[in-house]
Amino acid sequence: ETGVTQTPRHLVMGMTNKKSLKCEQHLGHNAMYWYKQSAKKPLELMFVYNFKEQTENNSVPSRFSPECPNSSHLFLHLHTLQPEDSALYLCASSQPGQTYGYTFGSGTRLTVV
Amino acid sequence: GDSVTQMEGPVTLSEEAFLTINCTYTATGYPSLFWYVQYPGEGLQLLLKATKADDKGSNKGFEATYRKETTSFHLEKGSVQVSDSAVYFCALSDDTGTASKLTFGTGTRLQVTL
Repeated sequence: ETGVTQTPRHLVMGMTNKKSLKCEQHLGHNAMYWYKQSAKKPLELMFVYNFKEQTENNSVPSRFSPECPNSSHLFLHLHTLQPEDSALYLCASSQPGQTYGYTFGSGTRLTVV
Repeated sequence: GDSVTQMEGPVTLSEEAFLTINCTYTATGYPSLFWYVQYPGEGLQLLLKATKADDKGSNKGFEATYRKETTSFHLEKGSVQVSDSAVYFCALSDDTGTASKLTFGTGTRLQVTL
C-alpha cells in the first residue's frame, strides 16, 4: 500500500469518450500532482495543486481537465483524446516545504483507440 | 532551468555485478536529490535521498552521495540481484517552500540476468 491510490489501473477509451481518472491519498499531504509517462520520453509534469489551488499547468491541452475538490482527492477529466495521449498517468503527493520527495500512485495505463 | 541528466540505458548486468548509474544535475540554489525506482507495471517508489552536499543516501544496498563540486548523484550497488531489474530515475527538488517541484531524468533501465 503506497498511500496514494489511483483508479482505474487500466482504461481503454475511444476518441469521443469522456472519462475520469481518480487519485486519493491519506498521507495528510497538501500538494498533489499529475504526471504523464510515455515510452522513451521523460516524465512530464502536467498539473500541480497546492492546498487545493492549481499552481502549475504545463501547457497541457484543454482536453485534459484537472479537479482537486480537497487536499486528499485529485481527478483528471478526459474528453476527445487523441491516440498520442495513450500513456501511463501517474499521480503523486507531497507535503510542501518538506524534503521527503513525492509518494506516487501505481498509475493508470490509458489507451486511446 | 533545473535539469537532470542520466546515463542512457539499458544497463545489462549479471547477478552479483557492481552497479553504477550516473546522474548529474544543473540547478540554482541547493536542491535535494533523489533516486526513484519503477518496477514493471508500477508507479515510482522513493529509493533514497540526500538533502545537502556530502550527504549519502542509502537503502536496500543502494547508495548515492551528493557531490556539489561535480554536481553529481551517482547510484551504486555492490552486488545486484535479478529483483533489482527496474527503471531508475534521478530527480531534484527545487524546495521553494511551496509545492516542491521534482525534476526527473529520463530514467535508466537496469536488467540483471542470472
